[in-house]
Amino acid sequence: NAGVTQTPKFRVLKTGQSMTLLCAQDMNHEYMYWYRQDPGMGLRLIHYSVGEGTTAKGEVPDGYNVSRLKKQNFLLGLESAAPSQTSVYFCASSLALAGGSYEQYFGPGTRLTVT
Amino acid sequence: QQQVKQSPQSLIVQKGGISIINCAYENTAFDYFPWYQQFPGKGPALLIAIRPDVSEKKEGRFTISFNKSAKQFSLHIMDSQPGDSATYFCAASRGGATNKLIFGTGTLLAVQP
Repeated sequence: NAGVTQTPKFRVLKTGQSMTLLCAQDMNHEYMYWYRQDPGMGLRLIHYSVGEGTTAKGEVPDGYNVSRLKKQNFLLGLESAAPSQTSVYFCASSLALAGGSYEQYFGPGTRLTVT
Repeated sequence: QQQVKQSPQSLIVQKGGISIINCAYENTAFDYFPWYQQFPGKGPALLIAIRPDVSEKKEGRFTISFNKSAKQFSLHIMDSQPGDSATYFCAASRGGATNKLIFGTGTLLAVQP
């Protein structure tokens, strides 16, 4: 099993350009998440999904959109990139089990630079 | 609003020493406290986790100590090795229907040979 994969690994955008980051998981997980990681700030949740066709805002959703058309894929879109969106983006997935919290499995990350 | 506060920001330990990283939380509804380990260029990976019904959990050289009344938990790495050099994140979750994690800001650990 590949686990959680992310494409692309690196990307450089100019201000105002758009792009889509793709996350795929082969573990049949119900829940999926998008985080951004910035120095000194840990990982912050952008958007998440609790199932196919559903999405919800996290802690820092502004400037991003997401879609979960298939259970195994979670897409993160930047419609008009800004330098403040320069970051490393991580996707994660987890099981959905009643009664508690469970491990999230992370992808290898996408390093995005907006100039 | 930072709900999970982590310290120190960075830590240097000699090989064979004990590394200690501390976290404090505010929300008493949290019921799951994992530690993630991240190597450069990689995604975070679960190291060890604890639930509030126990005060300590040990897995090999890694131990979580949990103090519910103080709303604090810590990671202890015994006999630290150069291969333990990584960034460590504490996190907390209150379960429910989303399994969302709130992360601390991370600790960069360097174990010197």
